[in-house]
Amino acid sequence: QQQVKQSPQSLIVQKGGISIINCAYENTAFDYFPWYQQFPGKGPALLIAIRPDVSEKKEGRFTISFNKSAKQFSLHIMDSQPGDSATYFCAAPHPFGNEKLTFGTGTRLTIIP
Amino acid sequence: NAGVTQTPKFQVLKTGQSMTLQCAQDMNHNSMYWYRQDPGMGLRLIYYSASEGTTDKGEVPNGYNVSRLNKREFSLRLESAAPSQTSVYFCASSVTDPYEQYFGPGTRLTVT
Repeated sequence: QQQVKQSPQSLIVQKGGISIINCAYENTAFDYFPWYQQFPGKGPALLIAIRPDVSEKKEGRFTISFNKSAKQFSLHIMDSQPGDSATYFCAAPHPFGNEKLTFGTGTRLTIIP
Repeated sequence: NAGVTQTPKFQVLKTGQSMTLQCAQDMNHNSMYWYRQDPGMGLRLIYYSASEGTTDKGEVPNGYNVSRLNKREFSLRLESAAPSQTSVYFCASSVTDPYEQYFGPGTRLTVT
């Protein structure tokens, strides 16, 4: 059974600062690692994903870094804004594929003014 | 496009009662999923369906059944609800890329 360990569980960052969330996985059928963002009362939505033929992917203020040898990947949010306050989930494909994702336990991010 | 819709939004059941959670998508997606979300546990897969007519168990299937009625609809049934099934339930769907999933707004279920 795949496990995806996500940390920290909660994070408070000042406006304009850098938010960093980390995930580690055990095994995966494919190298594809998405991050989902969830606002209170809503369903999760895909934020950004990396298919690691590269070690880093950047979209605006959001960057995924990937370390294949360590089986770790992280989300960096630059110039964090109050609108970024949400719960973030990392995910990894199931070791046997079968179109399943295993999600991390989530990080509740709060950006304070 | 409504995307993924779920009904009801909220439900309170007594232990032993049954109910069906409905999910529909209008994006012509092949795959559909049911997850539950509990504090500190993340999203855990209950069942999924790779295509119309097929279903398979996920990580936490006990106490649940599913039906893939057609390509659009995927329902989740609780035959005899238990307090441990108190949770928020999310339906999701995906097209050719199974790892880009689109989620519905969720159903908040309380079992007393």
